[in-house]
Amino acid sequence: AQKVTQAQTEISVVEKEDVTLDCVYETRDTTYYLFWYKQPPSGELVFLIRRNSFDEQNEISGRYSWNFQKSTSSFNFTITASQVVDSAVYFCALSEGSGGANNLFFGTGTRLTVIP
Amino acid sequence: GAGVSQSPRYKVAKRGQDVALRCDPISGHVSLFWYQQALGQGPEFLTYFQNEAQLDKSGLPSDRFFAERPEGSVSTLKIQRTQQEDSAVYLCASSPWTSGRASDTQYFGPGTRLTVL
Repeated sequence: AQKVTQAQTEISVVEKEDVTLDCVYETRDTTYYLFWYKQPPSGELVFLIRRNSFDEQNEISGRYSWNFQKSTSSFNFTITASQVVDSAVYFCALSEGSGGANNLFFGTGTRLTVIP
Repeated sequence: GAGVSQSPRYKVAKRGQDVALRCDPISGHVSLFWYQQALGQGPEFLTYFQNEAQLDKSGLPSDRFFAERPEGSVSTLKIQRTQQEDSAVYLCASSPWTSGRASDTQYFGPGTRLTVL
């Protein structure tokens, strides 16, 4: 069965600190996609990144970076030099299958608070 | 361009009332999903449409929940005889069709917060 675990329920950091949000997943499929979404107080889920199971290259986008390691079934998200606007709930999600619009399985989220 | 829109943003219903929640996906998006998000939890899948066809409704919690997308664009999630446990945020997401295969990236609307008293 598929599962996504975000063990960190809440994290608080002081502005400009780096922070890493952990995500561990379980799946029996060899083809799958991993996602991170941001949910600010307004409630809308904002897409951040998608990774497929055959691409283990790490990715950097501005202050955001993602570390995908199949050996440990982890897809961690790091924010460098955090800012107050980064305060939100962050969700990791998994989609199984070889393509097609498969539904997402979400973790329970990590609430990040950046203190000015 | 315009994103996914949902209406109403907030809905208060008395227990036993019927409610209808609307989703307008991104124009041209083939796939449409509904999710339910309880307080403090991640979204959970309810149902999926490809154009007007409802291909998966395995996540609907009871037969009081019904969804439709008759013309392959706007979708409505209907909950009959609402119960307090139905209180949640209902999220709609749409996904494009690229290169002849459905994209797996889903774009979400702002959600409808349903409170059942």
